[in-house]
Amino acid sequence: GQSLEQPSEVTAVEGAIVQINCTYQTSGFYGLSWYQQHDGGAPTFLSYNALDGLEETGRFSSFLSRSDSYGYLLLQELQMKDSASYFCAVPDRGYNKLIFGAGTRLAVHP
Amino acid sequence: DTEVTQTPKHLVMGMTNKKSLKCEQHMGHRAMYWYKQKAKKPPELMFVYSYEKLSINESVPSRFSPECPNSSLLNLHLHALQPEDSALYLCASSQTGSEQFFGPGTRLTVL
Repeated sequence: GQSLEQPSEVTAVEGAIVQINCTYQTSGFYGLSWYQQHDGGAPTFLSYNALDGLEETGRFSSFLSRSDSYGYLLLQELQMKDSASYFCAVPDRGYNKLIFGAGTRLAVHP
Repeated sequence: DTEVTQTPKHLVMGMTNKKSLKCEQHMGHRAMYWYKQKAKKPPELMFVYSYEKLSINESVPSRFSPECPNSSLLNLHLHALQPEDSALYLCASSQTGSEQFFGPGTRLTVL
């Protein structure tokens, strides 16, 4: 089976840097995705790591270590609009199905 | 066009009603999905269509009936729902599976 663990809540201040960790246990591994969801909104794709290392997209970066079954999402120069839930997810075999973590609720304060 | 659209945005229905949710994408994606999401929970997969054929049914009760009329459209037919079926219903499309594009969702309330 597949399972992902991420912290339930993270709090940070504007301008700071925050890291949201995700550890996974999967029977087969094809990569790690991250999604953002604002309250009342739909999930939005942020990043996908298939290989080890850091991928940077603007203020957001995502890291993967396949040997440690671990990844993280790094948010820099936090803004109030970054307050949202963040989900890590892994595709199941065949890439037809995404398994989501329970989500991390990020609260950014002034 | 990189958008997935869903109608209606909100739906209130009684337990004896029949209604349908609609989803459309024009990105040429091979796969389309229905998810159910409860408050403060992750999206929960219901159905996957790949190349217009149902490829995954996550043991969803028969009161939910999906339909894929063509490669751009996905419907979810609802009949005899229960109050516990009240949730946000999300449609998504994808070419790769790992990057999914979600529609805004339909907020369903069953009375």
